Amino acid sequence: SQQGEEDPQALSIQEGENATMNCSYKTSINNLQWYRQNSGRGLVHLILIRSNEREKHSGRLRVTLDTSKKSSSLLITASRAADTASYFCATVSLNSGYSTLTFGKGTMLLVSP
Amino acid sequence: DAGITQSPRHKVTETGTPVTLRCHQTENHRYMYWYRQDPGHGLRLIHYSYGVKDTDKGEVSDGYSVSRSKTEDFLLTLESATSSQTSVYFCAIGTTSGRFWLQYFGPGTRLTVL
Repeated sequence: SQQGEEDPQALSIQEGENATMNCSYKTSINNLQWYRQNSGRGLVHLILIRSNEREKHSGRLRVTLDTSKKSSSLLITASRAADTASYFCATVSLNSGYSTLTFGKGTMLLVSP
Repeated sequence: DAGITQSPRHKVTETGTPVTLRCHQTENHRYMYWYRQDPGHGLRLIHYSYGVKDTDKGEVSDGYSVSRSKTEDFLLTLESATSSQTSVYFCAIGTTSGRFWLQYFGPGTRLTVL
């Protein structure tokens, strides 16, 4: 079964606005990662947050992690049309070892000029 | 793209025919993965490999087999394709970044089973 569940399934915003996507998961994790997928392409790793971290920044990306609620959020600030893509969270659980990721169903983000 | 290629990129086949998809990597990574991506399901792991001739099942392995006779190639075979196997298939390699595990993905193969 899917470990992560993203919310919302789809998000439509204007350029310059912030986009927030949420991810919930079920089991204890070692770390949580966010990936991006442009239409017709493979996934690309964006950012990783460890289970003992609460917040992490990378450029216009901000990720938070709440292990008590088993949830994470990805914030993209000052969005651009080029941010249009699907975004997936992925978890490395404590039980599965460190070699497999479990992906959520993704949030489709549309940023209009 | 971590030197990952997939072939073919697109394939249309008929129900009951065998299909083999190839993933090729150029950077000698030990771990390789096959996923399928379907609307409403995200990415689901089919099989993965942790070395030559070492493979294991993922979440949705029924109807699929894999082989890895060389480090650089990971093959996914549908012995008798069914319409439910129409999907986009992604290959990935796994590697560490510091102490953490990341995956890098190939461009995908779109398979249509009629």
